[in-house]
Amino acid sequence: KQEVTQIPAALSVPEGENLVLNCSFTDSAIYNLQWFRQDPGKGLTSLLLIQSSQREQTSGRLNASLDKSSGRSTLYIAASQPGDSATYLCAVNGGQGAQKLVFGQGTRLTINP
Amino acid sequence: DAGITQSPRHKVTETGTPVTLRCHQTENHRYMYWYRQDPGHGLRLIHYSYGVKDTDKGEVSDGYSVSRSKTEDFLLTLESATSSQTSVYFCAISADSYGYTFGSGTRLTVV
Repeated sequence: KQEVTQIPAALSVPEGENLVLNCSFTDSAIYNLQWFRQDPGKGLTSLLLIQSSQREQTSGRLNASLDKSSGRSTLYIAASQPGDSATYLCAVNGGQGAQKLVFGQGTRLTINP
Repeated sequence: DAGITQSPRHKVTETGTPVTLRCHQTENHRYMYWYRQDPGHGLRLIHYSYGVKDTDKGEVSDGYSVSRSKTEDFLLTLESATSSQTSVYFCAISADSYGYTFGSGTRLTVV
């Protein structure tokens, strides 16, 4: 059974810092991996989708990497801003077609002005 | 969220009553999903659909049923609500090779 772990559970940093969020998964046979953002009381917003054949994806100040063989992904946030404060969730998909995602428990990020 | 809406947004119901949550999409995506989110457990898949009248169970399907009679609508029914089903329920959609789009969620309280 696939298990996804995110470390740390919470992180608080001053504005402007570059930071890395970690995600690990136990079964390397994945089809893709996604990073989401969730604001308090809101739904999830997709940030980046990495297919199993890719090593990284970038969107603005966000960069996500994938090392399937070691079962790890990282989300790099450059020049953090208070608006980046949210919970970040990693989810892995084990197959084509219906994407039955297995989620980590998330990292709650606080950026202090 | 654009293209996917959930109703109701909030609901309080009594133990033992049936409850139906609705998910509606305008994206014509093939796949639709229901998740629940609970502290300490994260998001867990309840049921999913891969087409009209085609559904399958997820990780935590006991006590839930679903129906999809049209591409755009996916209904989640709690036949007899229990307090353990108090949760935030999210609907999501996806298409082949593309990521997910989540709805805004339904907060359900069973008293």
